[in-house]
Amino acid sequence: RKEVEQDPGPFNVPEGATVAFNCTYSNSASQSFFWYRQDCRKEPKLLMSVYSSGNEDGRFTAQLNRASQYISLLIRDSKLSDSATYLCVVNPNPSGNTGKLIFGQGTTLQVKP
Amino acid sequence: GAVVSQHPSWVICKSGTSVKIECRSLDFQATTMFWYRQFPKQSLMLMATSNEGSKATYEQGVEKDKFLINHASLTLSTLTVTSAHPEDSSFYICSARVAQQASYNEQFFGPGTRLTVL
Repeated sequence: RKEVEQDPGPFNVPEGATVAFNCTYSNSASQSFFWYRQDCRKEPKLLMSVYSSGNEDGRFTAQLNRASQYISLLIRDSKLSDSATYLCVVNPNPSGNTGKLIFGQGTTLQVKP
Repeated sequence: GAVVSQHPSWVICKSGTSVKIECRSLDFQATTMFWYRQFPKQSLMLMATSNEGSKATYEQGVEKDKFLINHASLTLSTLTVTSAHPEDSSFYICSARVAQQASYNEQFFGPGTRLTVL
């Protein structure tokens, strides 16, 4: 089983749609969670951290369910510029923070006009 | 702030040659830098963790004698792919963690180096 699993998609949605991505992780001791965005042939860029209480940044909402080892990202009012691959990222170290990050395969989003 | 550069951005080389990739933190000091590899349509895979002034820690399955990592200063880490072969063709990305915030997990990524071995 992969340490971080995502549905690769692609998700094809019209502009203005709401779309949700899910991610599961295998290490129950993991403490830090993130969503990164990666455009084609570019480096990943941090979209948002994911906190236990859930957090929102504009049109983006992230949720964490520790019991189910499940992370989600909700994008409201999709824009053409949201088209990218969204990477679910987990820091599996519960202590002695090494900074190691485990990346999911990514979910591809295509927003159509 | 928190800009990481990589050089070169792309390289094409013949099989059997060695290629050096540089990763620099431009406006901050990085005690730890990470080297990743990404094959097409696949996830980023961590190759090694590079700590300034000490030997790199390699992930399982990554040959340390093939992928030489040097982290001589707080702003520079290098990855040398020795005796490169076509299967080493990939997108190599480095990232750096801010030195003053060792407990902070955010990593800043370089723009990547696309290596093609003929």
